[in-house]
Amino acid sequence: AQSVTQLDSHVSVSEGTPVLLRCNYSSSYSPSLFWYVQHPNKGLQLLLKYTSAATLVKGINGFEAEFKKSETSFHLTKPSAHMSDAAEYFCVVSSSGAGSYQLTFGKGTKLSVIP
Amino acid sequence: NAGVTQTPKFRVLKTGQSMTLLCAQDMNHEYMYWYRQDPGMGLRLIHYSVGEGTTAKGEVPDGYNVSRLKKQNFLLGLESAAPSQTSVYFCASSQLLGGPNEQFFGPGTRLTVL
Repeated sequence: AQSVTQLDSHVSVSEGTPVLLRCNYSSSYSPSLFWYVQHPNKGLQLLLKYTSAATLVKGINGFEAEFKKSETSFHLTKPSAHMSDAAEYFCVVSSSGAGSYQLTFGKGTKLSVIP
Repeated sequence: NAGVTQTPKFRVLKTGQSMTLLCAQDMNHEYMYWYRQDPGMGLRLIHYSVGEGTTAKGEVPDGYNVSRLKKQNFLLGLESAAPSQTSVYFCASSQLLGGPNEQFFGPGTRLTVL
């Protein structure tokens, strides 16, 4: 069984300040982890993915995430928020065991960026 | 290369009506999925397919049926729509080749059932 908990349903930051979106996961197998972003009334776009190579993963638009096995966390960060980052972000886990084609989504974190 | 496309983009139904949502992908992916997205719930898997002619139930399959007659198409049917099926529906596809299951999503269909 696998699950994902996004610790904040809503995060608000000022433009130019750092972004931190928190995600904890549980998985019976070695997980693959993803962050997807959804802009208003749009589909989901992959930001980055962790696949058991480097624990620090760099994605698009300056985002990165660090896989910490001991803390079962995969937090998303960005040094400086831009207005265009305002969107909803989903942390997603996929296990490498049986049924690994299935993804489990967190409930999402809505990021607001204040000018 | 259009990726994953969904038809229609919007639809309003009355309770008891039926409809079919079409998903098409041009990436030759084996796996296809239907999700629904409700506020505060993330995405929940309705049905999925691991290849042409095969389908399986996901987390919330009740009230929906699917078919995968062609590799590139995955249809989601509602036989008798209910207000609880008001949602945004996303189709996705992926190709597992021993790597992570990166899924590619369509733009969504917004369905309202009155």
